[in-house]
Amino acid sequence: QKEVEQDPGPLSVPEGAIVSLNCTYSNSAFQYFMWYRQYSRKGPELLMYTYSSGNKEDGRFTAQVDKSSKYISLFIRDSQPSDSATYLCAMRAINQAGTALIFGKGTTLSVSS
Amino acid sequence: EAQVTQNPRYLITVTGKKLTVTCSQNMNHEYMSWYRQDPGLGLRQIYYSMNVEVTDKGDVPEGYKVSRKEKRNFPLILESPSPNQTSLYFCASSLSWVWDEQFFGPGTRLTVL
Repeated sequence: QKEVEQDPGPLSVPEGAIVSLNCTYSNSAFQYFMWYRQYSRKGPELLMYTYSSGNKEDGRFTAQVDKSSKYISLFIRDSQPSDSATYLCAMRAINQAGTALIFGKGTTLSVSS
Repeated sequence: EAQVTQNPRYLITVTGKKLTVTCSQNMNHEYMSWYRQDPGLGLRQIYYSMNVEVTDKGDVPEGYKVSRKEKRNFPLILESPSPNQTSLYFCASSLSWVWDEQFFGPGTRLTVL
């Protein structure tokens, strides 16, 4: 079983839809959870960051972590064509020198107008 | 403008011909890292550096070398490239290894024939 699993999609939705993106993981030591967004032919950029379980909201984006189920989600409300990108979940274990970020493979989202 | 730059952006080369991909950041970041991104495999860390003269292997270091002689630069060296190193490469930096917002460069698309 891979450490981080993410459905690659593609996911196609109409403008205004609510989008749910998800990752599951197997390492119970993961404490830091992130979502990166990657536009075509660009490097990833950090979108959301959460520590341990709970929800975090930023505008139209909500990141949710359920450590008991080893499951994280990113919700996008009122999706826009500009949200069309690949979304990568990433996570890291507790503070330990050299502990790397582990990325999911990414979900490609297309929002049509 | 705060940024991570990579050169070249595109490179086609032949098996065995040594090459260097440069990476430079202007944010005074301590932590720098190299990733490769492949379809179906996602982002995988090649090497990372926690500070000047401190480097260590990531998940897929075979066939690569790095050096960190100055804080701002972190070149990736392929001494004898092979076709299985054809990939999209990203350099990233962050304030420190505990700081999870990594800033990614624009990517270098490498083809080894």
